[in-house]
Amino acid sequence: AQTVTQSQPEMSVQEAETVTLSCTYDTSESDYYLFWYKQPPSRQMILVIRQEAYKQQNATENRFSVNFQKAAKSFSLKISDSQLGDAAMYFCAYWYNNNDMRFGAGTRLTVKP
Amino acid sequence: DARVTQTPRHKVTEMGQEVTMRCQPILGHNTVFWYRQTMMQGLELLAYFRNRAPLDDSGMPKDRFSAEMPDATLATLKIQPSEPRDSAVYFCASGLVPWGSSGANVLTFGAGSRLTVL
Repeated sequence: AQTVTQSQPEMSVQEAETVTLSCTYDTSESDYYLFWYKQPPSRQMILVIRQEAYKQQNATENRFSVNFQKAAKSFSLKISDSQLGDAAMYFCAYWYNNNDMRFGAGTRLTVKP
Repeated sequence: DARVTQTPRHKVTEMGQEVTMRCQPILGHNTVFWYRQTMMQGLELLAYFRNRAPLDDSGMPKDRFSAEMPDATLATLKIQPSEPRDSAVYFCASGLVPWGSSGANVLTFGAGSRLTVL
């Protein structure tokens, strides 16, 4: 079964600094999708970034980028120039084709002014 | 922007009562998920549908929970009878599978239904 592990329950970062959130996953598949979702206090799940496993290039969305290491089954999220609005729970997720989307336990990010 | 609509946003009920949560997926999406979020368990998959057919509901307590899609515009999650341990936030999400190369098709979540069972 596919599992997703986020080993950092909480992280904090100073405003304008960079922070990296870790995620590892377990799968025997070669073609799948990985995601980072953000959940602010409003509870709304917001897609931050996605990565297709067949693509070697790391995905980037403005201040958000990933470090995708397929062999190591690692998918970390880097947030550059952190802003107060980045404070939220961040969930790493894995989805393989017709199966369900699996989520990690989440990392709570605090941004200090 | 297209949205997944969930109702009710908040529900407080007493143990033993029936609870029905509704979800309107994004038009054209063929996959609908129900997740439950608690502090202890995180995001748990309860059930998901493809083209209105249930693909997996193994995460759902069968004796009290039921999930259906009576039509393509409505998914329901019912708890009968409800218990205090069912208190959680229930999320519905929809998507279009298989995904195209455009990257436009990902899961979109509703705002969630917060259920409190006293």
